[in-house]
Amino acid sequence: QQQVKQSPQSLIVQKGGISIINCAYENTAFDYFPWYQQFPGKGPALLIAIRPDVSEKKEGRFTISFNKSAKQFSLHIMDSQPGDSATYFCAALDRGSTLGRLYFGRGTQLTVWP
Amino acid sequence: DGGITQSPKYLFRKEGQNVTLSCEQNLNHDAMYWYRQDPGQGLRLIYYSQIVNDFQKGDIAEGYSVSREKKESFPLTVTSAQKNPTAFYLCASSMGSAYNSPLHFGNGTRLTVT
Repeated sequence: QQQVKQSPQSLIVQKGGISIINCAYENTAFDYFPWYQQFPGKGPALLIAIRPDVSEKKEGRFTISFNKSAKQFSLHIMDSQPGDSATYFCAALDRGSTLGRLYFGRGTQLTVWP
Repeated sequence: DGGITQSPKYLFRKEGQNVTLSCEQNLNHDAMYWYRQDPGQGLRLIYYSQIVNDFQKGDIAEGYSVSREKKESFPLTVTSAQKNPTAFYLCASSMGSAYNSPLHFGNGTRLTVT
């Protein structure tokens, strides 16, 4: 079963708009929530991450909002640019795992029209 | 430059043949991972290794095998027992737990089996 549920599967936004991608989880052992960005033909790269002791983290145009009680977190991309067009994966870390393995969502393909 | 090298970028095989995907890292990372990426499926963990000569099955290990004889190398063999081997394969590494060290991904190998 999918440990981390991500939506939408695809998203089209106009340049300058706000892109919002949502993720939800059930496992209360998750305590680290990174987002990865993947361009076509490349491997994913860490974009931004949050721990549940804060409700929001902002880095430039990218913001993670975290709602611990609802077990939901989301990525907001402000002033979206064509260069932001990529696939975005949310993930959650199981602190109970000795390796600290990540569980990934299914991804959101973002297209930003110029 | 430090990073993860996956080779080849594209690989074609006939059904029934085993094939080995290469993954080399010069980041001095202890942990290495193999993920499979299919459209709309996200990243699914095949195998992971915390240290040399030790590895564990992930969520979809059936039909795959790995070895970890050197810290820098973590090759993945796709055997003929894998029922649907055509996919994009990603290798990753981290310093230790993904909690403290983000995953670094290679640029993947796209395997096509006909």
